[in-house]
Amino acid sequence: ETGVTQSPTHLIKTRGQQVTLRCSSQSGHNTVSWYQQALGQGPQFIFQYYREEENGRGNFPPRFSGLQFPNYSSELNVNALELDDSALYLCASSFAVLDGYTFGSGTRLTVV
Amino acid sequence: AQSVTQLDSQVPVFEEAPVELRCNYSSSVSVYLFWYVQYPNQGLQLLLKYLSGSTLVKGINGFEAEFNKSQTSFHLRKPSVHISDTAEYFCAVISSITDNYGQNFVFGPGTRLSVLP
Repeated sequence: ETGVTQSPTHLIKTRGQQVTLRCSSQSGHNTVSWYQQALGQGPQFIFQYYREEENGRGNFPPRFSGLQFPNYSSELNVNALELDDSALYLCASSFAVLDGYTFGSGTRLTVV
Repeated sequence: AQSVTQLDSQVPVFEEAPVELRCNYSSSVSVYLFWYVQYPNQGLQLLLKYLSGSTLVKGINGFEAEFNKSQTSFHLRKPSVHISDTAEYFCAVISSITDNYGQNFVFGPGTRLSVLP
């Protein structure tokens, strides 16, 4: 098992810019979810993809968008960055959700 | 909708002492319950989960948790902690209702366990 790999590990962007975060799912996992973890808080659900289709979305604005590719890797795109978007972004993959997710180490995004 | 409360934001405890991290949840539907641990600069790792059956579940690293439906609680315990248990612990729930729009975890705010020598 290779686990879940996220890139980059750290990123600094300016307010108003756009950012793309990448995630390589664990082998055999067909579901990927993205979470935002602000400092000192628990992860908040952004959205989930199953077999390249979005099949769940949390309370995040449309400027947060995503993709899942045929190899089950995934991207999270955020447009028009705001200061409050500064957080750790976690990608998690699973084959069966009730097995629990396998989380990546996250991308630390800082918006200045 | 579901929500998770972890009343203790920080729990300091001496090495080899027992510890209990509290988790309470609210949900209009039945849920499954999970505990995750996050070590510094790492992602979350599954400790244990309750899906059905025995209300006492055992996980990795000597942790266990007990589901109490009447009190809507899922407290995490360890009889003797080690320095290496220092980390952030998150309780999470997920609806047991599956639908075409998928399921997602709702996490609590976390409890920082600090094990002191």
